[in-house]
Amino acid sequence: EIVLTQSPGTLSLSPGERATLSCRASQSVNSNNLVWYQQKPGQAPRLLIYAAASRATGIPDRFSGSGSGTDFTLTISRLEPEDFAEYYCQQYGSAPLTFGGGTKVDIK
Amino acid sequence: QVQLVQSGAEVKKPGASVKVSCQASGYTLSRYVMHWVRQAPGQRPEWMGWINGGNGVRDYSERFQGRVTITWDRFASTVYMELSRLRSEDTAVYYCARGLYPRCWFDLWGQGTLVTVSS
Repeated sequence: EIVLTQSPGTLSLSPGERATLSCRASQSVNSNNLVWYQQKPGQAPRLLIYAAASRATGIPDRFSGSGSGTDFTLTISRLEPEDFAEYYCQQYGSAPLTFGGGTKVDIK
Repeated sequence: QVQLVQSGAEVKKPGASVKVSCQASGYTLSRYVMHWVRQAPGQRPEWMGWINGGNGVRDYSERFQGRVTITWDRFASTVYMELSRLRSEDTAVYYCARGLYPRCWFDLWGQGTLVTVSS
């Protein structure tokens, strides 16, 4: 099973600042089969990025994904008030599908 | 409107079973795979299994083998997840989530169903 480790656990930033979130895999993720979700309290996750770097439909271009192999990054170029939330990575290159432990982006 | 609507919250005693439903609307169930993912309070999401909406083929995470059963009523566009021999650690929000393949991302999620296991 591929274990995904996200860092930092919490990121305290102000609106307008840049957020850089990391997701590290215990082994190489096949074909960069990694996605990022945003989750707000009481809501289901929302797909942001698939295949490591492709934005899902309707996702603003301030969200971008990069990385390959075992190291992946989600970048939010300028934080908007609605971006303060929890973010999870998930790999689908190998069964079982697994999720990272999450990074909470909160307001400084 | 494309959406997944799940059944309501459940409270169960240890050892019992729970069955959660997920009705798809606005798209053709047979063209997708339906997955189930659960999330315990304050924990990361955990994938449980999937069913192919076209032919009923299914598979489960080894972690839940023997306890989880995913079924579907294609004519009602509804998928079901039943978890048996419940224990307190099964307390979580259970989500159905749509994917294109058995191994994929999830582009559409149900609203979640809270299952509480307590004596």
